[in-house]
Amino acid sequence: ETGVTQTPRHLVMGMTNKKSLKCEQHLGHNAMYWYKQSAKKPLELMFVYSLEERVENNSVPSRFSPECPNSSHLFLHLHTLQPEDSALYLCASSHPDRDSQPLHFGNGTRLTVT
Amino acid sequence: DQQVKQNSPSLSVQEGRISILNCDYTNSMFDYFLWYKKYPAEGPTFLISISSIKDKNEDGRFTVFLNKSAKHLSLHIVPSQPGDSAVYFCAASLSGTYKYIFGTGTRLKVLA
Repeated sequence: ETGVTQTPRHLVMGMTNKKSLKCEQHLGHNAMYWYKQSAKKPLELMFVYSLEERVENNSVPSRFSPECPNSSHLFLHLHTLQPEDSALYLCASSHPDRDSQPLHFGNGTRLTVT
Repeated sequence: DQQVKQNSPSLSVQEGRISILNCDYTNSMFDYFLWYKKYPAEGPTFLISISSIKDKNEDGRFTVFLNKSAKHLSLHIVPSQPGDSAVYFCAASLSGTYKYIFGTGTRLKVLA
């Protein structure tokens, strides 16, 4: 089992649909992240959860709604998305209580909004 | 304003030669720097990192150099192999926080 698992790997949805992205980490980390990767742009931090509490919300539109039921699971609920929201959505985890620790990423969900 | 910049979107290198990927940052408070490698259809994979108390860190064929006064870091891969062909992202962080700021990536192509 890989450290950070994301499902689904690919998702196509219409602008009126509601869907959810799922992330699970098996590394014993206590912080989980959602990043968005669009073409030719840096990875953009969307949300951070630490010990199931949201600690960062980088001005993300409300059509993206995160949920962290426990330190191993993270969801991103999607509704009324726009075509410009099409991107690769990456989940990551880390242990920020320990100095100098890298982020560990999942393989991402490639989202296409039609 | 981008705090971490990778000014070369792509780089081609002959197999066996050295690959040098560069990264600049603007915030002198960053104290931990990372390099990630990304293949198509996969997430970024952590490659190597360096703390600001060091100026060099080596792991096999990969060496990261940090020049704090210039706010510049570089990744050296030697010898380069075709399997190293990927997109490389640098990132800067404040250790103990949730802040990891990424560059836009450099696509490395190692030619056989």
